[in-house]
Amino acid sequence: RKEVEQDPGPFNVPEGATVAFNCTYSNSASQSFFWYRQDCRKEPKLLMSVYSSGNEDGRFTAQLNRASQYISLLIRDSKLSDSATYLCVVKTSYDKVIFGPGTSLSVIP
Amino acid sequence: DAGVIQSPRHEVTEMGQEVTLRCKPISGHDYLFWYRQTMMRGLELLIYFNNNVPIDDSGMPEDRFSAKMPNASFSTLKIQPSEPRDSAVYFCASIASYQRGGGTGELFFGEGSRLTVL
Repeated sequence: RKEVEQDPGPFNVPEGATVAFNCTYSNSASQSFFWYRQDCRKEPKLLMSVYSSGNEDGRFTAQLNRASQYISLLIRDSKLSDSATYLCVVKTSYDKVIFGPGTSLSVIP
Repeated sequence: DAGVIQSPRHEVTEMGQEVTLRCKPISGHDYLFWYRQTMMRGLELLIYFNNNVPIDDSGMPEDRFSAKMPNASFSTLKIQPSEPRDSAVYFCASIASYQRGGGTGELFFGEGSRLTVL
């Protein structure tokens, strides 16, 4: 079983739609959680950290369920510029940083 | 402040040749990571260092791969001999630990080295 799993998609949604991505991780000792965004042929960049109480950054909301080892990302009012691959990231003990396979999003006009 | 710098950006080589990829982390960062990205396998962690010491190399695919970090500002990933299945984008990333002021936990990536082995 992979350490971090995501639905690869692709998700094709119209502008203005709300879309949700899910992620599960296998190591219950994982300490920190993040969502990264990767544009085609570019390096990954941090989108947002994920906190236990859930957190919001504009149109983006991230949630963490430690008991279920589950992380989610909700994007509201999708924009064309949101088209990218979204990577779920887990930092385990000893500061090992593991990336999920990514979920591809295409926002269609 | 300069970001993570990788070289070469692109390399095309023939099977059997030695390949050396280079990385300069952000000054002050005490962790350095090497990842490999392919369509089939996504972003795989190969090895990471803390204060120039390898912590976990379990992701290194086989003995043909080796990585070193002789000082805090330089790391290499070497493939010898290279094979067509090594074709991928290799990313280097660095991060400052919490003790070094890395409160956000953000991993900073270089632009990657795109390797093609013919």
